Amino acid sequence: NAGVTQTPKFQVLKTGQSMTLQCAQDMNHEYMSWYRQDPGMGLRLIHYSVGAGITDQGEVPNGYNVSRSTTEDFPLRLLSAAPSQTSVYFCASGLQANTGELFFGEGSRLTVL
Amino acid sequence: DAKTTQPNSMESNEEEPVHLPCNHSTISGTDYIHWYRQLPSQGPEYVIHGLTSNVNNRMASLAIAEDRKSSTLILHRATLRDAAVYYCILRDIAGGTSYGKLTFGQGTILTVHP
Repeated sequence: NAGVTQTPKFQVLKTGQSMTLQCAQDMNHEYMSWYRQDPGMGLRLIHYSVGAGITDQGEVPNGYNVSRSTTEDFPLRLLSAAPSQTSVYFCASGLQANTGELFFGEGSRLTVL
Repeated sequence: DAKTTQPNSMESNEEEPVHLPCNHSTISGTDYIHWYRQLPSQGPEYVIHGLTSNVNNRMASLAIAEDRKSSTLILHRATLRDAAVYYCILRDIAGGTSYGKLTFGQGTILTVHP
């Protein structure tokens, strides 16, 4: 079982470049979310979605865009990367938004120079 | 939103029990207590969750105080593989303003000595 798949695993960008972090899940989960984790810190919620076509902001949404056109995919877009966005990004999914187990991807390590 | 407080770090010896505490004094009646752990260089993984009664699964046990203002994750026999950051999280099953917003704190860094 694939579970939650994130791509790419590693990426280096220059300031001002744009890119998309991909997240896909094959468990038919309604809930998906993106977190970032800075060194020595806990996870902070960027954006989340409770179903296809529905997204909302988390704690640290500035500089990031998301969309949810299908149940399976929840891409995270950086429109103009900044060094402050250097971090490890985790995608998570779950059956529902407010209950049950969350499944996390392996993470995408992004460095912005 | 209800918050949780955990010690920054704890240490244990291999094959000994470990009791990881979590305080959540402002917990609401519809908040479930969830525990996740994060092994080095990996994404978090689910450990256990409960509402009022103590819970057991293959990974751990969760002891919840009668007033629900605190809980303890119990690893019965720590192994080196249990060295991780452990997060105690509250999830409001009724939704409200925290609907979808799963908040991770700093967690407790567990070190297991051989």
